[in-house]
Amino acid sequence: EAGVVQSPRYKIIEKKQPVAFWCNPISGHNTLYWYLQNLGQGPELLIRYENEEAVDDSQLPKDRFSAERLKGVDSTLKIQPAELGDSAVYLCASSLEDGPSDEQFFGPGTRLTVL
Amino acid sequence: GNSVTQMEGPVTLSEEAFLTINCTYTATGYPSLFWYVQYPGEGLQLLLKATKADDKGSNKGFEATYRKETTSFHLEKGSVQVSDSAVYFCALFYSSASKIIFGSGTRLSIRP
Repeated sequence: EAGVVQSPRYKIIEKKQPVAFWCNPISGHNTLYWYLQNLGQGPELLIRYENEEAVDDSQLPKDRFSAERLKGVDSTLKIQPAELGDSAVYLCASSLEDGPSDEQFFGPGTRLTVL
Repeated sequence: GNSVTQMEGPVTLSEEAFLTINCTYTATGYPSLFWYVQYPGEGLQLLLKATKADDKGSNKGFEATYRKETTSFHLEKGSVQVSDSAVYFCALFYSSASKIIFGSGTRLSIRP
């Protein structure tokens, strides 16, 4: 069974440029998460989807970040414009449902460097 | 608020040594507790979990016991291997917000 797929794995851009990350969750997983992981820190939730609905986007900086999950499958996270402080690893995860017994499966992440 | 504090790394041990990585938490109610592992170049993987007080999670020789009285969930392994070298994250899930809170991670390096 394929795991969570993310692309690109690495991205280097200049500040003020836009950037987008793509995630394909495990087939059949209804819940999809985007996390931000700063160097030396644990992941922090940005947004959580139940199917195509964003049910928790309280930590998403909406002035520059946006996300979508069309048809409740793949998801895209966008930053426009990027700032130096956005350099981090962006992780996507998915689970069958959302609860303590539902294991979240993580992708390898996209490492973003903003110059 | 809810938070997780874990032992700072890096931790360097020799093969076959005993491992303990400390983790304590602050939470309202009764969260579920997890240990995740991140091997070099890979995504986070669930290592073990415990959903209520006194539960012991175990996997791949690792163990952790949910201690409500000390709000702790320390990770232990009796004899580590080079292949255990990774970053380990302690985490809690609190139902009211349906959210996982991660600790800052502990990098473990095992010398042959």
